[in-house]
Amino acid sequence: KNQVEQSPQSLIILEGKNCTLQCNYTVSPFSNLRWYKQDTGRGPVSLTIMTFSENTKSNGRYTATLDADTKQSSLHITASQLSDSASYICVVINLFTGGFKTIFGAGTRLFVKA
Amino acid sequence: EPEVTQTPSHQVTQMGQEVILRCVPISNHLYFYWYRQILGQKVEFLVSFYNNEISEKSEIFDDQFSVERPDGSNFTLKIRSTKLEDSAMYFCASRGFNEQFFGPGTRLTVL
Repeated sequence: KNQVEQSPQSLIILEGKNCTLQCNYTVSPFSNLRWYKQDTGRGPVSLTIMTFSENTKSNGRYTATLDADTKQSSLHITASQLSDSASYICVVINLFTGGFKTIFGAGTRLFVKA
Repeated sequence: EPEVTQTPSHQVTQMGQEVILRCVPISNHLYFYWYRQILGQKVEFLVSFYNNEISEKSEIFDDQFSVERPDGSNFTLKIRSTKLEDSAMYFCASRGFNEQFFGPGTRLTVL
């Protein structure tokens, strides 16, 4: 069954600290993996997209890693800011002939405190 | 930067009423999607649309739901007879070759 599991469910950190969010997936065939940031009551906004052959991708203070062998990904946030408080959603794309399926994780709720 | 827009941002309706949620996808995109997110839960796929027809739908997308692309720009989701459990955020998304962009969502509240 195609599934995306994220951990932790929620996380509280102090402003300026780093954190790492985890994503494990069982999706086949795998096309790419995306990390989204979703502010409360808003639509998801793409942070990174990683294909099978990519191990690391950065977008400012966000760095995503992907291990396609173990089917694990992580999102590392450096020097957190109050505005980083949001849900971070891991999404795996299942692209096949005639179809494009998005499998969402439940998200990690990050709280950054001053 | 092009973006997906949705209207209204918040819709309140009585149970049993019909609602139409509107989306304007990014202009050169060909694939369109609706998702919903019940408060506190994960985003769920509803339906995908390509070449003026539904290409895939989930088990959530039953006969009370329909989608339409009435003109060259709008993409709508109609819920015929709303139920309390339809209360959720509804997100539209569009896709070009690879990248998928989400709209800001419509919060639907069914009373």
